[in-house]
Amino acid sequence: GNSVTQMEGPVTLSEEAFLTINCTYTATGYPSLFWYVQYPGEGLQLLLKATKADDKGSNKGFEATYRKETTSFHLEKGSVQVSDSAVYFCALSGNTGNQFYFGTGTSLTVIP
Amino acid sequence: DTGVSQNPRHKITKRGQNVTFRCDPISEHNRLYWYRQTLGQGPEFLTYFQNEAQLEKSRLLSDRFSAERPKGSFSTLEIQRTEQGDSAMYLCASSSEREQYFGPGTRLTVT
Repeated sequence: GNSVTQMEGPVTLSEEAFLTINCTYTATGYPSLFWYVQYPGEGLQLLLKATKADDKGSNKGFEATYRKETTSFHLEKGSVQVSDSAVYFCALSGNTGNQFYFGTGTSLTVIP
Repeated sequence: DTGVSQNPRHKITKRGQNVTFRCDPISEHNRLYWYRQTLGQGPEFLTYFQNEAQLEKSRLLSDRFSAERPKGSFSTLEIQRTEQGDSAMYLCASSSEREQYFGPGTRLTVT
């Protein structure tokens, strides 16, 4: 079956530190992969996506590369800001796009 | 269009009562999803509509849960005979292809 496993939090970083949040997946076929972000008190927002192997999704300084050989989609940012404090969810959709599977979320706090 | 909207945003009900939530998707999106999210967890898929047809249902969706999308536009999720374990955030999302846009959610508290 399809599933997503992501790094447990919470993660606390100082401003301008490098961020990595690990995500690995199990899927049949050719899933699309996503990172969503949930800021305090708000709904989930799509951060970035990749639809095939070796694709790199990027947005707002965040990047993630779809690695089929390691079944991973790790989220990275070179220099985090206080405003990046949020919960980050890795997700995948199956071949048909009918179902989405989410990880448990990783809470990030960036301190000045 | 300002995005996916959900009503109400908060609902407190007593155990055994029925509740109904509404989701208005982005107007040109033909796909609509319902999820449940509990504290510290990611969204769990409940059900999926393409236009007015309900094409997928999770095992999480017990007989007490029913969802409709009568004209392929807005959708309702009804929970009958609510239980304390139903307390959660209920999220709606819509999409035109593989990219989903989420609403703000309805937080249900069953006392």
